[in-house]
Amino acid sequence: KNEVEQSPQNLTAQEGEFITINCSYSVGISALHWLQQHPGGGIVSLFMLSSGKKKHGRLIATINIQEKHSSLHITASHPRDSAVYICAASNTGGFKTIFGAGTRLFVKA
Amino acid sequence: DAGITQSPRHKVTETGTPVTLRCHQTENHRYMYWYRQDPGHGLRLIHYSYGVKDTDKGEVSDGYSVSRSKTEDFLLTLESATSSQTSVYFCAISGATGGAYYGYTFGSGTRLTVV
Repeated sequence: KNEVEQSPQNLTAQEGEFITINCSYSVGISALHWLQQHPGGGIVSLFMLSSGKKKHGRLIATINIQEKHSSLHITASHPRDSAVYICAASNTGGFKTIFGAGTRLFVKA
Repeated sequence: DAGITQSPRHKVTETGTPVTLRCHQTENHRYMYWYRQDPGHGLRLIHYSYGVKDTDKGEVSDGYSVSRSKTEDFLLTLESATSSQTSVYFCAISGATGGAYYGYTFGSGTRLTVV
């Protein structure tokens, strides 16, 4: 079993839909990261959180430490949101990170 | 200006040849990392550095070595490239203040093909 698991692996949505990507982890963490990678592109850090919720534009990330679960929500999805979204858990030391395999999102116009 | 740059962006090399990838940062961050990304796998840590001349192995370090002689530069060397090292390589940096660290910045990646 992977220490960081994401679901779903692939997701197709219609423009405007509300999207949720889930991440479960089994390791002790100091922070949970959400990253975005466009096709052929680099990796961009969206959020780093250790508790509660963070919001940036149409993106919202939440974490439940007790449940060892995090979600990334996209409101009013747009085709430009099409990308791979990666969840990653950093250990207590803060400099070793385990990455999930990613969720590939395609938003249709 | 990007705070982290990788070079080269693309490289094709022959089996058995040495290859060095360079990561350069202008953020003065303490931590630097080399990851590889392959289809079906998440990012996997090759080596990381927690300071000048301070490095350690990650989960897939066999066949790779690193050096960090200056804060801003972290070099990844494939001593004798093999086809299994064909991959996309990402460098990343992160910093820490007072025991708390803040998130990652990734380089644009290097696509390496070993033929």
